[in-house]
Amino acid sequence: NAGVTQTPKFQVLKTGQSMTLQCAQDMNHEYMSWYRQDPGMGLRLIHYSVGAGITDQGEVPNGYNVSRSTTEDFPLRLLSAAPSQTSVYFCASSYLGSSYEQYFGPGTRLTVT
Amino acid sequence: AQSVTQLGSHVSVSEGALVLLRCNYSSSVPPYLFWYVQYPNQGLQLLLKYTTGATLVKGINGFEAEFKKSETSFHLTKPSAHMSDAAEYFCAVSRGNQFYFGTGTSLTVIP
Repeated sequence: NAGVTQTPKFQVLKTGQSMTLQCAQDMNHEYMSWYRQDPGMGLRLIHYSVGAGITDQGEVPNGYNVSRSTTEDFPLRLLSAAPSQTSVYFCASSYLGSSYEQYFGPGTRLTVT
Repeated sequence: AQSVTQLGSHVSVSEGALVLLRCNYSSSVPPYLFWYVQYPNQGLQLLLKYTTGATLVKGINGFEAEFKKSETSFHLTKPSAHMSDAAEYFCAVSRGNQFYFGTGTSLTVIP
């Protein structure tokens, strides 16, 4: 199993550009989520999905879109990048249910200039 | 609302000394509790979790944590620190479909 994979590992964008961060998992997990990690703030939930076709907002959803057409993939789209979106982004997946741990991808380090 | 408080954003211990990383949660109902570790430039890896049953939970790499409902705490300990334990540690609670993370504690191990 590859687990949770993310691409790219690094990305530099100019303000106003758009891009998609890719996330895939091969564990047949129903639940997938996106977090951003900023110094001193821990991980904050951006969006999550409990299955194909079902998504919902987390704590910091503004400026990001998601969709989930398959169980395996959960891409995160930045519509118009802003310097405030400079961060490290993590995708995670788990079985559905509060007792299940989340499995994390290696992260994407995004810089917006 | 769920919140997780990790006391001490930076903790330094000598190699071989006790490691104690503190985590308190706020919840009217005991949640599910987790500790994750993050090594530099990597994703988060599960150390241990508490769901139900025994309140002392053992995890990987010699770490353990005790769920204390009366103190709303889930502190992480390791009897003897190793250089390889230097990393960022996150406490998290799970309720419904969401995880709530603390702000993290960076552990430095001094040789």
